[in-house]
Amino acid sequence: NAGVTQTPKFRVLKTGQSMTLLCAQDMNHEYMYWYRQDPGMGLRLIHYSVGEGTTAKGEVPDGYNVSRLKKQNFLLGLESAAPSQTSVYFCASSYLDSVDEQFFGPGTRLTVL
Amino acid sequence: KQEVTQIPAALSVPEGENLVLNCSFTDSAIYNLQWFRQDPGKGLTSLLLIQSSQREQTSGRLNASLDKSSGRSTLYIAASQPGDSATYLCAVIPGNTGKLIFGQGTTLQVKP
Repeated sequence: NAGVTQTPKFRVLKTGQSMTLLCAQDMNHEYMYWYRQDPGMGLRLIHYSVGEGTTAKGEVPDGYNVSRLKKQNFLLGLESAAPSQTSVYFCASSYLDSVDEQFFGPGTRLTVL
Repeated sequence: KQEVTQIPAALSVPEGENLVLNCSFTDSAIYNLQWFRQDPGKGLTSLLLIQSSQREQTSGRLNASLDKSSGRSTLYIAASQPGDSATYLCAVIPGNTGKLIFGQGTTLQVKP
């Protein structure tokens, strides 16, 4: 099993550009999450999904959109990137929500100039 | 609002020493607590998961305890090794939400 994978690993954008981050898991997990990690702020939840076709807002959802068209994939979109979105983005998944451990991907380092 | 605090922020110890990392949370109504390890520039690796009904979990040289009533968890690392050098993160799931709330982490350096 590959576990949780993320593409791309690195990306540099100019302000106003758009992009999509892809997260894939092969563990048949129902729940998937997107976090961002910033120095001094720790990891914060952006959006999450409790199953195929569902999405919900987390702690810091503004400026991001997500989609879960297939159970194994969770996409994070930035429609108009801003320098404040420079961060490391992590995807995670779990079989159930509150009782199961979350498994994390390797992260995507995004810089917005 | 649930807040998670980890003390100390950084720790340096000689190889072979036993050590304890601390995690505290403000609301005792949690479903579980998870300890992670993060190496520089890498993702998070799950170390231990403690359900709210449990008091501790063990994996190899690692032992994590949970005291919900006092809002505390500790991660005990026995016979530390240079390979244990990393940032250790504590996270809780408050209530039935599935959303992890993270502490800032403790960066551990084990010197040979």
